[in-house]
Amino acid sequence: EVKLVASGGGSVQPGRSLRVSCAASGFTFDDYAMHWVRQAPGRGLEWVAGISRRSGTSAYADSVKGRFSISRDNAKNSLHLQLNSLRPEDTALYYCTKGLGPMVTPNWFDRWGQGILVTVSS
Amino acid sequence: NFMLTQPHSVSGSPGKTVTISCTGSGGTIASSYVQWYQQRPGSVPTTVIFENNQRPFGVPDRFSGSIDSSSNSASLTISALKTEDEADYYCQSYNSTKVVFGGGTKLTVL
Repeated sequence: EVKLVASGGGSVQPGRSLRVSCAASGFTFDDYAMHWVRQAPGRGLEWVAGISRRSGTSAYADSVKGRFSISRDNAKNSLHLQLNSLRPEDTALYYCTKGLGPMVTPNWFDRWGQGILVTVSS
Repeated sequence: NFMLTQPHSVSGSPGKTVTISCTGSGGTIASSYVQWYQQRPGSVPTTVIFENNQRPFGVPDRFSGSIDSSSNSASLTISALKTEDEADYYCQSYNSTKVVFGGGTKLTVL
């Protein structure tokens, strides 16, 4: 059974940093690209970032480019998202998602974790 | 910038058919696959259509997807509506560098 379990969320002040992680199991982690997708309260889905199977390629939404950094550790089956210079509009549920193929694009998401809440507020 | 636009809401009665559109701008929708996700309140999204018109195992054939190149749009059609279909639906595609979601459509089954 595929499992994606996120951790590291919480409440932080604007301008500060946070790191969220995702522990993956139930599939061959280094065969697939991984992504983060977020959903602000009462809003729609927004793709945040993706990373290819061996970290050769990463991509970011314009809204987070230069502030967020995605990484993965294939030896530990883990995915990470470093969130810097956080803003109130970054408040959202962050989902760890598994891509169907090895590259960032073309791709879509066939498994989703339960999500981890990040709240940015003073 | 490649964008996908969906109607904010649609509604239908049990047993009827509804169609949700997803219109592309800043790119050709037919050049990439379109997926559709269903999100019930308080739940994680699940895939109902992938690669334009394919259904994952377990998704009933009441759900179908299509592409219309002439209008640069994709559509999700749900027939024989059930109350359990009431949810938010999102289309998703990509270009060479980014993944894109539509804004989502709230389906109300009256």
